[in-house]
Amino acid sequence: AQTVTQSQPEMSVQEAETVTLSCTYDTSESDYYLFWYKQPPSRQMILVIRQEAYKQQNATENRFSVNFQKAAKSFSLKISDSQLGDAAMYFCAYRSAFTGNQFYFGTGTSLTVIP
Amino acid sequence: DAGVTQSPTHLIKTRGQQVTLRCSPKSGHDTVSWYQQALGQGPQFIFQYYEEEERQRGNFPDRFSGHQFPNYSSELNVNALLLGDSALYLCASSALGGFRDPYEQYFGPGTRLTVT
Repeated sequence: AQTVTQSQPEMSVQEAETVTLSCTYDTSESDYYLFWYKQPPSRQMILVIRQEAYKQQNATENRFSVNFQKAAKSFSLKISDSQLGDAAMYFCAYRSAFTGNQFYFGTGTSLTVIP
Repeated sequence: DAGVTQSPTHLIKTRGQQVTLRCSPKSGHDTVSWYQQALGQGPQFIFQYYEEEERQRGNFPDRFSGHQFPNYSSELNVNALLLGDSALYLCASSALGGFRDPYEQYFGPGTRLTVT
């Protein structure tokens, strides 16, 4: 089974600064999708950004960007110009391109934004 | 356009009891997946329903069962509740099994189940 590892249980960042959250995954598949989800205290999981494994170009969504290293099986999230509203749990997730749309999640990183 | 809705928001049950959680998918979606999120953990896949059948199942015992109705809404049933079943239960919906659009998985706000 695929595994997703987030080695940073907690991170903090000063407002307006940049922070990078780490994620590694283990798979033998050649094609898959990777996601970062945000879960604020309201509990609703919100999609932040996604990346198709076959694309070499790193995905970018406004202040959010990823560094996808397929050979290293690494998928980090960079948040630029951090805002107070970015404070939340962030989960990295993996989805196979072949075996249904089951998502495998990491254990999450709690991000605190310091005013 | 309503997103994914779940009911109830919170639930307290006693060990050994049975519980039913409900989910209505986002408009236009026909597939429902259920996840269990224990405190401090990431969501873990329980099972997925499409065309009223269980299509995929994670590593959960048979005490966990489900159903999907013709209107695509779904129920999660848990029998013989254990203390370890206390968790946030998330429902996620997608369209056409998710194969055509892998990004289209929207989550509901979850049901917090506490087993005492």
